[in-house]
Amino acid sequence: DTVLTQSPALAVSPGERVSISCRASEGVNSYMHWYQQKPGQQPKLLIYKASNLASGVPARFSGSGSGTDFTLTIDPVEADDTATYFCQQSWNDWTFGGGTKLELK
Amino acid sequence: QVTLKESGPGILQPSQTLSLTCSFSGFSLSTYGMCVGWIRQSSGKGLEWLANIWWNDDKYYNPSLKNRLTISKDTSNNQAFLKITNMDTADTATYYCARSTLGSDYFDYWGQGVMVTVSS
Repeated sequence: DTVLTQSPALAVSPGERVSISCRASEGVNSYMHWYQQKPGQQPKLLIYKASNLASGVPARFSGSGSGTDFTLTIDPVEADDTATYFCQQSWNDWTFGGGTKLELK
Repeated sequence: QVTLKESGPGILQPSQTLSLTCSFSGFSLSTYGMCVGWIRQSSGKGLEWLANIWWNDDKYYNPSLKNRLTISKDTSNNQAFLKITNMDTADTATYYCARSTLGSDYFDYWGQGVMVTVSS
């Protein structure tokens, strides 16, 4: 299994820039994707293949990385971005990270 | 417009078999490159990919659960199915179905999820 490791939680103030990391236990090329999940809702695709913005997603969201280290950046953070963010790889089977809960100060 | 909706029994007892249905619209599982997958999420926890079925009937399973899972489809009725045998309280979760496409390998549309509780 390719294990994806994410920090459990982050807290930032509105208007700031935040970077959410995802580290893979083995290389996944650029087959890393990011989802946003708000309480009581299904996940929503934000970024696909490391750095491509999904349709309808604000340009405040961006993704970077390749191999084993990936980052989702939100700049600037808005109050509506309070959510849990999951990474997912599809290079070796399909696995998800444990999620990073983003809270606003 | 792509939509997916899961349905299931709500509650079942340990050792029983779970049968889930994903009813979708806006695409066909007989179209080249289409895929439906199942993902679950225990309360307050992360996401766990379970299985994918592709337009050509190729099936892929989470290796840690493979011996308990069976995924299938009914293209004429735009449905996909997942069976999980020998259910345990640890399988209590919200179960999602979602769409993927060949070459993308991510889930671009998700259902709202169905809660399944395993309890005696």
